[in-house]
Amino acid sequence: QKEVEQNSGPLSVPEGAIASLNCTYSDRVSQSFFWYRQYSGKSPELIMSIYSNGDKEDGRFTAQLNKASQYVSLLIRDSQPSDSATYLCAVNSLTTGTGFQKLVFGTGTRLLVSP
Amino acid sequence: NAGVTQTPKFQVLKTGQSMTLQCAQDMNHNSMYWYRQDPGMGLRLIYYSASEGTTDKGEVPNGYNVSRLNKREFSLRLESAAPSQTSVYFCASSVVFGSSGNTIYFGEGSWLTVV
Repeated sequence: QKEVEQNSGPLSVPEGAIASLNCTYSDRVSQSFFWYRQYSGKSPELIMSIYSNGDKEDGRFTAQLNKASQYVSLLIRDSQPSDSATYLCAVNSLTTGTGFQKLVFGTGTRLLVSP
Repeated sequence: NAGVTQTPKFQVLKTGQSMTLQCAQDMNHNSMYWYRQDPGMGLRLIYYSASEGTTDKGEVPNGYNVSRLNKREFSLRLESAAPSQTSVYFCASSVVFGSSGNTIYFGEGSWLTVV
């Protein structure tokens, strides 16, 4: 089982719709969760972080975390063509014996927003 | 404020050649990282430096060496390039090493092809 799993997509939504991106993780002690957006040929860009169960809203973006179900999601309201990108879920995972909390990335979900 | 700067952006190497990827950050961050990104594999950690003067292996260190030259600079060296090292390489930095609330910022990436 991969540490962080995402559906590779593509997830296609029309402009103005809500895009829902999902991520599951295997490390039950993970404390920090991040969503990065990556445009083709560009570097990942942090768009949301969440540390507590529940919802966290930032503009058109809402991150949702359910630690009991080991599930984190990203909702994008009023989706725009400029939101078309790959969205990477990242989870802090403790490396046994070192104390280092590495950031483990999923392989990403490609989102396509059509005009 | 440039953030994280990587050079070169593109490089083609022949099998067996060596090269060094350079990285510098101007955010006064303590920790620095080298990741590689391959299709279907996501971002994988090669090496990291928790603070100036320390370096440690990540998930995929074989074939690479690193040097933390000072607080700003962290280089990645391929001693004898192999086709399996064809990838996109990202340097990244963060304020605090291993913190559960740590946020990682990425450079623009270096596209390396080994023929």
